[in-house]
Amino acid sequence: AQSVTQLGSHVSVSEGALVLLRCNYSSSVPPYLFWYVQYPNQGLQLLLKYTTGATLVKGINGFEAEFKKSETSFHLTKPSAHMSDAAEYFCAVSNNRKLIWGLGTSLAVNP
Amino acid sequence: DSGVTQTPKHLITATGQRVTLRCSPRSGDLSVYWYQQSLDQGLQFLIQYYNGEERAKGNILERFSAQQFPDLHSELNLSSLELGDSALYFCASSVGDRADGYTFGSGTRLTVV
Repeated sequence: AQSVTQLGSHVSVSEGALVLLRCNYSSSVPPYLFWYVQYPNQGLQLLLKYTTGATLVKGINGFEAEFKKSETSFHLTKPSAHMSDAAEYFCAVSNNRKLIWGLGTSLAVNP
Repeated sequence: DSGVTQTPKHLITATGQRVTLRCSPRSGDLSVYWYQQSLDQGLQFLIQYYNGEERAKGNILERFSAQQFPDLHSELNLSSLELGDSALYFCASSVGDRADGYTFGSGTRLTVV
């Protein structure tokens, strides 16, 4: 069975600092991996996804994630946090028919 | 605007009642997915329809049912509502029937009192 673990339910960074949100997965088949962002009172928006090919994936708003098969990880990073990045971030793995979701990481950005 | 339209945005109803949530997928998308999001259980997949047919089922209660109509819009029916059904209900759509990236609607917030 597939599963997703997001390490840290709450992460706080200073504006301009590196953002690192951790995601580990388990999958018996080559995974499709996703990061979504949810702003308050809004739906989820796709940040980026890995399907095949290049393991470093660039997404919207300056975010990127690297698929590391040996570590079963798909951590999300951004070099410099903006106040507007404060939101809930969800990692997910696909089992073809549905996405298996992590519990989410709430990112706070301090001035 | 994601292109996925959900109505209503907010719904307050009493226990034991029945409600219907509506979703119009993004133009060209054939799959519709329903999710429930609550504080204690996170995002839970409920059900998927593809071009009018049920394709996958998740943690959907027997009191809940859904369908996708010929014009591809979908409805989620929740009956005999309980306090614990209070949650955000999201609809998402995609072109194909594989979960390789959805577009989400903004959700319906259901409050059962």
